[in-house]
Amino acid sequence: GAGVSQSPSNKVTEKGKDVELRCDPISGHTALYWYRQSLGQGLEFLIYFQGNSAPDKSGLPSDRFSAERTGGSVSTLTIQRTQQEDSAVYLCASSLVGDGTEAFFGQGTRLTVV
Amino acid sequence: AQSVTQLDSQVPVFEEAPVELRCNYSSSVSVYLFWYVQYPNQGLQLLLKYLSGSTLVKGINGFEAEFNKSQTSFHLRKPSVHISDTAEYFCAVSESSGAGSYQLTFGKGTKLSVIP
Repeated sequence: GAGVSQSPSNKVTEKGKDVELRCDPISGHTALYWYRQSLGQGLEFLIYFQGNSAPDKSGLPSDRFSAERTGGSVSTLTIQRTQQEDSAVYLCASSLVGDGTEAFFGQGTRLTVV
Repeated sequence: AQSVTQLDSQVPVFEEAPVELRCNYSSSVSVYLFWYVQYPNQGLQLLLKYLSGSTLVKGINGFEAEFNKSQTSFHLRKPSVHISDTAEYFCAVSESSGAGSYQLTFGKGTKLSVIP
């Protein structure tokens, strides 16, 4: 596609349920990042993929958070046993190569845990 | 680790007036610097970036920024704002984590409100 696509755009879930958030990066982009944007913490890095590998998972806040990437393309961020503090906008970004020179962001998924 | 400070959380300005949004970062050997804009309920759009070379960089929508290494600043400016510039602006630094990741470290954002 022309840009980074994320789905769903909005997700409301009950506390304790699992959720999956999807990111379709720009075709051919090898690097993929997940960020979280919340009122209290601002924009925070979660995880980085280069191809299908995740060499940097240092931003994942707990073991309830995991992510995978398949075919060097689509990525899924999974949050297990959601908590209210997980409510945030989850942003995905991709770049052609992971050299830090540019990143293109998706529209984000707004997650609300009730 | 890098840190980014945006000195103003909110900036109101009248239409057609100039504006400066301030950004300071912690020093490092070399940095890549970015300004992103976020309109309501949208993702981040790149305004401009500094990678190397000329310290004055020009971006989209008439914005420009100047990299000042001695003051570790990267302030964003526009000589004449429009109503459509009302948005939140984020300054960011790209740093290597040592694991090959060049994730962005963001400031807390500055909300620009353009008053008719």
